[in-house]
Order: sequence, then C-alpha cells, then structure tokens
Amino acid sequence: AQSVTQPDIHITVSEGASLELRCNYSYGATPYLFWYVQSPGQGLQLLLKYFSGDTLVQGIKGFEAEFKRSQSSFNLRKPSVHWSDAAEYFCAVGPFTGGGNKLTFGTGTQLKVEL
Amino acid sequence: EAGVAQSPRYKIIEKRQSVAFWCNPISGHATLYWYQQILGQGPKLLIQFQNNGVVDDSQLPKDRFSAERLKGVDSTLKIQPAKLEDSAVYLCASSLDLGGAAEAFFGQGTRLTVV
Repeated sequence: AQSVTQPDIHITVSEGASLELRCNYSYGATPYLFWYVQSPGQGLQLLLKYFSGDTLVQGIKGFEAEFKRSQSSFNLRKPSVHWSDAAEYFCAVGPFTGGGNKLTFGTGTQLKVEL
Repeated sequence: EAGVAQSPRYKIIEKRQSVAFWCNPISGHATLYWYQQILGQGPKLLIQFQNNGVVDDSQLPKDRFSAERLKGVDSTLKIQPAKLEDSAVYLCASSLDLGGAAEAFFGQGTRLTVV
C-alpha cells in the first residue's frame, strides 16, 4: 500500500531564512508526487507536482521540490521564506496510471514564520 | 473561474443524528472527490466519482456514509447515523478528468463537529 511520511510535525523558521520540508513516500510503482499548502479555514492549494522528467520541479510562490528516487523522497524547498508562507504543508502521492488524483496524503508539517 | 463550492461551512450535530454535505465542482470537471480530514491528520480519500459513476469507494464506511452525484455535477455526502469519530473537515475536490496531469482543486471544506 502506498504511504507518505512527513517526519516534521512543526517547523519554525525566521523570515528570510531558507526552508526545507521533508517528505518520504512508499509506492510500488512510478508515482505522481504533489505538495499542497493549506491556510487556516482554507482548502488545499497545489504548490507543485512531479510526474516525470526533470527531477527538480518549480512551483508557485517561489517553491521548488526535488524528486530523489533512490531515497524515495520529494522534499520541498524555498530559498527565502516570507511571513505569508506560514501554513500547513502536505505531501501527497497518487497512482501514475488512472486516478492520478486519488491521493494519499502525509500528516502535514505546520510551518511557523518568525518575524 | 469559480472554485469548488461547499456548504455548509460548519455543522454541529449530536451523535446518532444524520447530516448531509453539498459540493458543486468547477464547471466542466468530470471527476469529483470527497476527502475526510481529521484534526492533526492529512486528508483521506472517501470516494471518487467520474461523471455520475463511482470509481473508487473502497475507503467509504458504507454502513453509515453514502454519496451520490446523480447528474454528474453536484454531489452530496451523507452520514447516518453520525458517530463522535466522524468529527472532521470534509473536503470536496474536482478535476477535469481522472488523470493525475489534471490538477485537483479543493473547496474550503465543511467542518463537522459531532457531540
């Protein structure tokens, strides 16, 4: 069965500092990989996704993620965090064939940004 | 473009009562999903529709949960009778089609509290 692990429940960074959120997945075949952000009282917004090709994926709001097959990881990064980035971030995996949006989510990482 | 609409935003009921949630997906989106997000966890897929047909309901507790999408557009999710552990945010999402290349857009969710 597919699964997603986000080992960090909470992360606090200073505004302007760099950010890396970790995500490890378990999946028997080639997956789709996603990062979503959820602000309080809001639905999930897609930051970026990986299907194939270049393993470094650029997303919205200055985020990027790197797919490392050998480590089964898909870590999210941002070189300089803004206070508005404070939110909860979810990594997700979906099947490559059919139902790609049938997502399995991790438990999320709550990001706090200190001014 | 209007997003995924859900109502109500909040609902408080007593255990053993019934409740229904409504979702209006983005116009033209053939695929619709219902997710359950329990506090402190990532969303979990309950059911996936393609037009008015069910693609996957393997994680739907069918003894108490039901969902329909009669005309292939709006959808309702019902719980009858509710249990305390059903307290969660219920998220509806839609995408153009089944494939993972089609981004899934999420509504703001309905927060259910069962007391």
